[in-house]
Amino acid sequence: DSGVTQTPKHLITATGQRVTLRCSPRSGDLSVYWYQQSLDQGLQFLIQYYNGEERAKGNILERFSAQQFPDLHSELNLSSLELGDSALYFCASSVGVRGGTDTQYFGPGTRLTVL
Amino acid sequence: GQQLNQSPQSMFIQEGEDVSMNCTSSSIFNTWLWYKQDPGEGPVLLIALYKAGELTSNGRLTAQFGITRKDSFLNISASIPSDVGIYFCAGQLPEGSQGNLIFGKGTKLSVKP
Repeated sequence: DSGVTQTPKHLITATGQRVTLRCSPRSGDLSVYWYQQSLDQGLQFLIQYYNGEERAKGNILERFSAQQFPDLHSELNLSSLELGDSALYFCASSVGVRGGTDTQYFGPGTRLTVL
Repeated sequence: GQQLNQSPQSMFIQEGEDVSMNCTSSSIFNTWLWYKQDPGEGPVLLIALYKAGELTSNGRLTAQFGITRKDSFLNISASIPSDVGIYFCAGQLPEGSQGNLIFGKGTKLSVKP
């Protein structure tokens, strides 16, 4: 158990809909990262938050957004869903210090299926 | 963008055999990490490497951070059935860059009892 929790574990929805994925980081970690894992693309970084502020952005679509709340949990919002958005979405957390030793620990993921 | 080349893509070995996999990149990384992922689960950190040339062990696992900072390998000795899974390397870019990880495509390991 990494200490990172994600809900829900599974989510099935229809095209055009909007969903929210939730992540609670490990105790003491200030940084939260979101990744998407699909069969053809592997693990792709989406976005990072540190202590409530966006720190880095990766391959995140405009239809997707995220935020980190004062209690440090984070939510990833996916809207106008398309079939191709079906994937595993992982949250990771770390202490958040810049530089070499900031190790990321992953949650169990949310499997999103868009029908 | 940065890419990691991880090989082999898959391995099918006999229990008790040693395993070796590696990652290379055209970019320099500050940190190399090795994760294992079981089906339907999140990646679990196996070994973290923070210095060029560093050699680190975790039980039957040994990993090294290449001197050039552009490569890393992971060895598993005396494999057992529970070693089955997908192994990912990940690199973290030098300070000043984004804190996100760049992942390899994974090595799928199958172990025959």
